[in-house]
Amino acid sequence: DAGVIQSPRHEVTEMGQEVTLRCKPISGHNSLFWYRQTMMRGLELLIYFNNNVPIDDSGMPEDRFSAKMPNASFSTLKIQPSEPRDSAVYFCASSPRVGLAGGTDTQYFGPGTRLTVL
Amino acid sequence: AQSVAQPEDQVNVAEGNPLTVKCTYSVSGNPYLFWYVQYPNRGLQFLLKYITGDNLVKGSYGFEAEFNKSQTSFHLKKPSALVSDSALYFCAVRDSASGGSYIPTFGRGTSLIVHP
Repeated sequence: DAGVIQSPRHEVTEMGQEVTLRCKPISGHNSLFWYRQTMMRGLELLIYFNNNVPIDDSGMPEDRFSAKMPNASFSTLKIQPSEPRDSAVYFCASSPRVGLAGGTDTQYFGPGTRLTVL
Repeated sequence: AQSVAQPEDQVNVAEGNPLTVKCTYSVSGNPYLFWYVQYPNRGLQFLLKYITGDNLVKGSYGFEAEFNKSQTSFHLKKPSALVSDSALYFCAVRDSASGGSYIPTFGRGTSLIVHP
């Protein structure tokens, strides 16, 4: 398996522009997570999907951020409009589902997208 | 509520010496505990986990971790450090209690530097 795939690996954009980050989870995994990593705040969970349904989006910083998972093999994280403080590395991770409903187990991370907003 | 703490931002150790990266946790029920490693410009990579059973868990690259319920700790250890072990290490915990979160909480990370 190729693991979790993210694109693009690097994105440089100007303030106010729309940014779309993409993720392909590992086949067969039912849970998908979007994280943001910065030096100041560490690793932050933004949103979590289970069976393509958003379960917890309490970490999404504001309405400028939105995430979708139209099918089991694809998810997007969109920022519109982008701001310089959104500069960070964004990780997608997927996880197989344990026996308990809603349970999660080991997470498998993608290589990340390094976003720079000028 | 679940929480995890990594009390050291950075750990320095000489190559060949044993290393320990500390992690403590707080949960309502029983803990599910994880260690991940992040090499520069890479995503986090799973090292090992404790769900139940033996308190000493062995993982990838010669790492192991000891679950200590009385001290609510899950320290990561390796008998002999390599320069290539230099990376950022994350501890994570998930509460098994039915009212707990199904999502693991990650620590802030500890930077391990192994000197030649």
